[in-house]
Amino acid sequence: DTGVSQNPRHKITKRGQNVTFRCDPISEHNRLYWYRQTLGQGPEFLTYFQNEAQLEKSRLLSDRFSAERPKGSFSTLEIQRTEQGDSAMYLCASSLSGHQETQYFGPGTRLLVL
Amino acid sequence: AQSVTQPDIHITVSEGASLELRCNYSYGATPYLFWYVQSPGQGLQLLLKYFSGDTLVQGIKGFEAEFKRSQSSFNLRKPSVHWSDAAEYFCAVVWANSGYSTLTFGKGTMLLVSP
Repeated sequence: DTGVSQNPRHKITKRGQNVTFRCDPISEHNRLYWYRQTLGQGPEFLTYFQNEAQLEKSRLLSDRFSAERPKGSFSTLEIQRTEQGDSAMYLCASSLSGHQETQYFGPGTRLLVL
Repeated sequence: AQSVTQPDIHITVSEGASLELRCNYSYGATPYLFWYVQSPGQGLQLLLKYFSGDTLVQGIKGFEAEFKRSQSSFNLRKPSVHWSDAAEYFCAVVWANSGYSTLTFGKGTMLLVSP
């Protein structure tokens, strides 16, 4: 069990650029979640996958955001035409679906949009 | 909308003193309850969780929490705080109507430990 990993850990970009983040879940976990955390706030749910299927998306996930999990393993989160308001920590978590599901988080990717 | 409230934005405790961090959640079908800890610039580490059964649950690093259904609370406690406990603590809840999937977090409580 190597834990959830996320890359990159930090990303600085200019407004209007596209960015992509990657999350590798714990290997036997079939669910993968994305959350966003802004300064002074708790994490807020964005979207989640069960295997390769995207089961739920938050209204926070605007059209500029897209997430994929093509083979049911790693996931990517892309933000197109970044805005300064997208600056945040993007957290990934994984879990094994079923009774008493528990989510385990990665270290996060901190995005700064200039 | 269902919500989680952590009424204390920050708390300062002397090293060796006891600690209690408060968490209340809005009413809903039987919730599952979690406490996570976050060190600066890091992800979230699970401290403990409650699903059912004994309402007093033990976690890592000497933490415990008690579920009180009548008060919709899940307060985190530690009998003697160490300087390394300084961090931000988040209470999180999942409800049956989310399929027990998506976590709803409180805004967090920052714990400062004084010498």
